[in-house]
Amino acid sequence: AQSVSQHNHHVILSEAASLELGCNYSYGGTVNLFWYVQYPGQHLQLLLKYFSGDPLVKGIKGFEAEFIKSKFSFNLRKPSVQWSDTAEYFCAVTRRNSGGYQKVTFGIGTKLQVIP
Amino acid sequence: GAGVSQSPSNKVTEKGKDVELRCDPISGHTALYWYRQSLGQGLEFLIYFQGNSAPDKSGLPSDRFSAERTGGSVSTLTIQRTQQEDSAVYLCASSLHQGSNTGELFFGEGSRLTVL
Repeated sequence: AQSVSQHNHHVILSEAASLELGCNYSYGGTVNLFWYVQYPGQHLQLLLKYFSGDPLVKGIKGFEAEFIKSKFSFNLRKPSVQWSDTAEYFCAVTRRNSGGYQKVTFGIGTKLQVIP
Repeated sequence: GAGVSQSPSNKVTEKGKDVELRCDPISGHTALYWYRQSLGQGLEFLIYFQGNSAPDKSGLPSDRFSAERTGGSVSTLTIQRTQQEDSAVYLCASSLHQGSNTGELFFGEGSRLTVL
């Protein structure tokens, strides 16, 4: 079964610091990769996704993620965080095979706290 | 509305009672997921419906949990004989599951269940 690992469960940063959240997945075939964000009191929403093409994906609010197939990784980055980035971030993967697409699997999430 | 709608938003029940949680997905979305979000537990997959295929029930924690999706649209998650450990936020998400949209989930606001 596919699995998604997020290595940092709780991250605390000061404003303007750089952010990198790790995500690794276990499946070696063709995958679609996602980062979702849940701001306090809000529902989960898509931050960015990788389907094909350029492995460096840019999302909303200055976030980006790089798909490195050889490392089975899809790390999320932002060069300078803001207090408003305080949220929980979830990495997710769905894999494609001959039977079609499989269900989306989520990582456990990383809580990011940005200190003003 | 255009988004995923869940009801009730909050439910408080007594241990041993049955509860039903409803999800109305985005019109035309073929895939529907139920997840459970507990404090510190991330997103726990419960069940996945995709078109007319048999649902993937592999995430249901016990036989007290069941779900239906009628007419390929509205879904109901039923928890029988609720226990205190069932207390959580139950999230529904839908997806178009075609091409580059595959895996892009649209989440509802969730149903917060408290079992006393």
